[in-house]
Amino acid sequence: QLHLQESGPGLVKPSETLSLTCTVSGGSISSSNYYWGWIRQPQGKGLEWIGSLHYTGNTFYNPSLRSRVTISVDTSKNQFSLKLSSVTAADTAVYYCARRGNTSGFAYAYWGQGTLVTVSS
Amino acid sequence: DIQMTQSPSSVSASVGDRVTITCRASQGISTWLAWYQQKPGNTPKLLISAASSLQSGVPSRFSGSGSGTDFTLTISSLQPEDFATYYCQQIKSFPITFGQGTRLEIK
Repeated sequence: QLHLQESGPGLVKPSETLSLTCTVSGGSISSSNYYWGWIRQPQGKGLEWIGSLHYTGNTFYNPSLRSRVTISVDTSKNQFSLKLSSVTAADTAVYYCARRGNTSGFAYAYWGQGTLVTVSS
Repeated sequence: DIQMTQSPSSVSASVGDRVTITCRASQGISTWLAWYQQKPGNTPKLLISAASSLQSGVPSRFSGSGSGTDFTLTISSLQPEDFATYYCQQIKSFPITFGQGTRLEIK
């Protein structure tokens, strides 16, 4: 069974860079059939897609965050990562990693449990 | 960006009721639409992909329909465990976008 697990600091200071890693187990990140993504959800609010990548390195970002976001993959560790620079309080949210692919109509069938990141000094 | 608009934003219903949630896309997305259920404190769960394809393990009381710009999620007979927030999502083009959510509450 595929399992995704987010990890990283739960508290980030304003203007600094948020860094999260998603570790994938029970399946290979190096599959041509799947895309790996990040989605966030501020407390009590809706879901916002941040971006996604293919293991080949192709990345796709939300234009609203593009100037601050980098998503990368480490196939040797079966992990992918999110970096969000110059954070503000508006970036406080639960961050989810997730997988979508042709086995689920390219919808996100597998999600990590989510990790709360608070931006505060 | 493709905007996704759900209605209603919230609905109150009773166990056994039939409930329909609507999602409208700002431009045609064929059937590149998914529905998710999220309970408080939990991860979103994929219910339906490709507008009408029920995911494995999802009860048959859930159904989806539509294509182009107008879509519906129907729960035929509400069960206590169905009270949650529901989101639609378009995956036709980047950026992927979600509806604002519909909160289904117990009457």
